[in-house]
Parts: sequence; structure tokens; C-alpha cells
Amino acid sequence: GAGVSQTPSNKVTEKGKYVELRCDPISGHTALYWYRQSLGQGPEFLIYFQGTGAADDSGLPNDRFFAVRPEGSVSTLKIQRTERGDSAVYLCASSKQGKSNQPQHFGDGTRLSIL
Amino acid sequence: GENVEQHPSTLSVQEGDSAVIKCTYSDSASNYFPWYKQELGKGPQLIIDIRSNVGEKKDQRIAVTLNKTAKHFSLHITETQPEDSAVYFCAASQSGGSYIPTFGRGTSLIVHP
Repeated sequence: GAGVSQTPSNKVTEKGKYVELRCDPISGHTALYWYRQSLGQGPEFLIYFQGTGAADDSGLPNDRFFAVRPEGSVSTLKIQRTERGDSAVYLCASSKQGKSNQPQHFGDGTRLSIL
Repeated sequence: GENVEQHPSTLSVQEGDSAVIKCTYSDSASNYFPWYKQELGKGPQLIIDIRSNVGEKKDQRIAVTLNKTAKHFSLHITETQPEDSAVYFCAASQSGGSYIPTFGRGTSLIVHP
């Protein structure tokens, strides 16, 4: 398919564990965004990549959260020492160049549950 | 930062009726306003957007209006169908910079057949 792909679709783990969430953006899209969506809420911005670099990471809640995009395509969101409050759907979106006239295309998210 | 308020949180209509969802924003510098539809277990999908140099935009059964002075914008769906049932999100952002949208809290639209 040509859309944004996120894996896994569901992840259940215990408190304190480390998790990695993967995002495959649409081919050719240089801008990539991570969001977190809690039940009954809209997506909340976490971090934005333009190419390989994190252009804006102001939404990351604390230093347990980190994301990389080493080759400017696939991105991985990493969460250390997970807490129950980290449970949410983590969404990834991509756009052609990260400009306002180019809409964001979302994946279906990873539902993370911390027991 | 930007703050987007969205109302109502839930909207129930009969098939064929119209549905209107309203949003307000706080930052007068915002100039791009997309609307997303999110079905259960899926990611948000862009359905229509409007920029601040336009007051209204229409695409078949959906339309969006923007009042820059009052800082509010609305989504209008006419002739609703059961497949329109979903959660709808409005968002606001600025061109330039990193184009990070601020989302509303969503409206759950239920269309009864």
C-alpha cells in the first residue's frame, strides 16, 4: 500500500519495560510527525522530523521519550521505563515537505497498553 | 500557544439531516484549518481544509466556513449517511516553521439510519 504504515498495531507490556514503535512514511515524504492520542482526545504533537533531523521535539513529555529517523525515511519512537500513563495510541503522519499547503497523512497508529 | 475548542462533543442526527460542528481558535496567526475524520481503530483522514484567505470551501456534501474576525470555523455535512458516523477533529496551524497543528478534542457524529 501507499499509505503510512505503523507497527506493531498493538503493544502490551509491563510497567518499567522499554518499547519501540515503528513508522514507515509515504515514499518521498520528507516530513514525519509523531502524535499521542488518549481516549476521547485529539492527537497531541510529540516530535517532527524534516529529513533525518528532529526539527521540533517540543512535544516530548520527558526524557524517557526519544525518536530517531536515521536515513530520513523510517522512524522509531522509543520509550524507556514505561509508565501506566504512557498508555495511548501513538500516531505517525507524513507530508511531502512539512509546509502548510501539504496535508499530513496519518497511519492507523500503535495502541500501547502498559500494565 | 494555540488553543482549539470544538463543539459539540457528541452529535446525533437522522440520516438525511445536516450536521454542523464548530471550532474556535485563539492564535490570530493561525492560517490553515484542516478537518479530519477518524473511524474506530483507524488514523485520522483529511476530509477538507481551508486557508485564511478563503471564507468558504465546499466539496460535494461537506463544506467548511471560516470567520477570521471571530476566530471560528465550522464543518457542515449535508444529507448525512450512516457511513458518515465517525469522530471528526478540527485543527489549526500556521504556515512557515514546522506546521504543527493543534487539534480540537473531537466530535463523535452518529447518523441513525
